[in-house]
Amino acid sequence: GAGVSQSPRYKVAKRGQDVALRCDPISGHVSLFWYQQALGQGPEFLTYFQNEAQLDKSGLPSDRFFAERPEGSVSTLKIQRTQQEDSAVYLCASSSRTGDDGYTFGSGTRLTVV
Amino acid sequence: SQELEQSPQSLIVQEGKNLTINCTSSKTLYGLYWYKQKYGEGLIFLMMLQKGGEEKSHEKITAKLDEKKQQSSLHITASQPSHAGIYLCGAVGGTSYGKLTFGQGTILTVHP
Repeated sequence: GAGVSQSPRYKVAKRGQDVALRCDPISGHVSLFWYQQALGQGPEFLTYFQNEAQLDKSGLPSDRFFAERPEGSVSTLKIQRTQQEDSAVYLCASSSRTGDDGYTFGSGTRLTVV
Repeated sequence: SQELEQSPQSLIVQEGKNLTINCTSSKTLYGLYWYKQKYGEGLIFLMMLQKGGEEKSHEKITAKLDEKKQQSSLHITASQPSHAGIYLCGAVGGTSYGKLTFGQGTILTVHP
């Protein structure tokens, strides 16, 4: 596609519910990143994929967070047993190389845990 | 770890005025990105700077990276309501694959 597509745009989850957030990067982009953005803050790194390999997951806040990119294109960020502190915007970004042309971000998924 | 501090945190200007947003790093910047974000939306890439002293312009927005590569500024000339939004600086550092560390953002309001 022309840009990075994320779905759903909005998700309301009850505390304790599992959620799955999808990212469809620009076709052919090798690198894929997930960021978490709390209200009033800049995005914070969660995890990085190069093709299907998850090379860095140091930013995942707990073992309730899990990400995958099994075929090296679409990625899913899963949050198990959601908590209120998980409420944030989850942004996905992709790049053809290490940022020479800037990273293209999706519009994000706004997760609200009630 | 690298930290980025943006100033001011928020800015309100009258249409037509010039303004500057600063981004200061705790470590040397090897790649500095400026993004704009509308509330509730994703980040729009503005510019990337890599070399000390580098300056880039796009329409009425100019970004500079100082010689010591620890500070960048974003300057908007003759601001318009369409410039309103959140401006974020992001730095590449510490990894070979381009993991970005962001500042906290500067909220710009432009009154017509």
